[in-house]
Parts: sequence; C-alpha cells; structure tokens
Amino acid sequence: AQSVTQLGSHVSVSEGALVLLRCNYSSSVPPYLFWYVQYPNQGLQLLLKYTSAATLVKGINGFEAEFKKSETSFHLTKPSAHMSDAAEYFCAVRNNNDMRFGAGTRLTVKP
Amino acid sequence: NAGVTQTPKFQVLKTGQSMTLQCAQDMNHEYMSWYRQDPGMGLRLIHYSVGAGITDQGEVPNGYNVSRSTTEDFPLRLLSAAPSQTSVYFCASSYSTRQLAFFGQGTRLTVV
Repeated sequence: AQSVTQLGSHVSVSEGALVLLRCNYSSSVPPYLFWYVQYPNQGLQLLLKYTSAATLVKGINGFEAEFKKSETSFHLTKPSAHMSDAAEYFCAVRNNNDMRFGAGTRLTVKP
Repeated sequence: NAGVTQTPKFQVLKTGQSMTLQCAQDMNHEYMSWYRQDPGMGLRLIHYSVGAGITDQGEVPNGYNVSRSTTEDFPLRLLSAAPSQTSVYFCASSYSTRQLAFFGQGTRLTVV
C-alpha cells in the first residue's frame, strides 16, 4: 500500500526565510500527490497537487513542490516565509480509492 | 455553494453511547470519505464511498459504520463509543478518486 513520510514534525523559520517541508512517498504505481494546509480549528485546504503532468507544481500562497521520482520525494517550498504561513501542513498520496496522509509538519514563523 | 457540511461541530459522548456524525455535500460528488485526525498521526481513512449504495473500509474501520443512500449524504455511525474514538473527524468529497478533495470543517468528538 502507498504511504507518505513527512520528515520533521516541527519546522521553525524566520519571516522572509526559505520554507522547506519534506515529504517522501512509497507507491507501487505512479502516484497522485498532494499538499494540504490546516489552520487552527479548521479543515484542510488544498495547496497543490501533482497528477503526472509537470514535475514542478505551483500552488496557492506562493508555495510550490517538485516531484522527484528517483528520490520518491515531493518536498514543499516557499522562497520567503510570511507570518500567515504558520499552520500545519500535510502531504498525501493517492491512487485508486485510497488516500494516505503523512503525520503532518507544524510550521512556525518567527518575526 | 455550501461545499461539505459536517454536523455537529462538537460532541461529548459517554462510553457505550451511539451517535451519528452527519456529512453532506452539494457538489454532486461521487466520492466521499471519512477521516479521523489524531495528534502525530495525520489523517487516517475510516470508510469511503465511490457512489450511492457503495461503501468500503479504509485504514481504521473498526467501531464505525457508514451507508450511502444518496449522493449528497454520507453519515458515520459510532455504535458503541469508546474513549479511543476521541478524535477530530473530517468528511471529504471529490469529483472522482483522482481529483482534489474538499474537506468539511470537522467534528471534535470526546468520549468520556
């Protein structure tokens, strides 16, 4: 079965610094990969998705992710962190009817 | 559009009680699913449905039942609540199994 591993349950960056949230996946078939963001006491919102088109995927709020098949990775990046980016981020992999989420990475942005 | 609507938002149950968490979507999505979210474990799939009349188990189905009599509704039933079912529950729906999922706002359930 497919699965995702998010490296680092907490990541802290300074405002204006690069954001890098790591996600590795395992899947026996070409995966569909997603990043979601969750703000406190809210549901999940889709940031971006990879569905086998371009390997570099641009999402909302300046985030992007690059699919690297050789590394089985789908890391999320943003060049310059903003205070409003503080939230929990989830990587997810999906094929057929099953969607599996990582444990999440909580991003803190320091002024 | 209302999107995905979950009710109630909060619920406290006593061990052994039963209840139904409601989920409704107004986007005519075929695919609907239920997840539970626990600290440090991300979201885990409980049950899902690919259309009216069709349901299947996910990763953690024990203690939960579902049915899908209409395209719009996908209720989750706890037959005999246990403290281990204390969690935040999310309902999600999609156009298809390969499209993005729309999530409800969640139901925070506490079993005492």
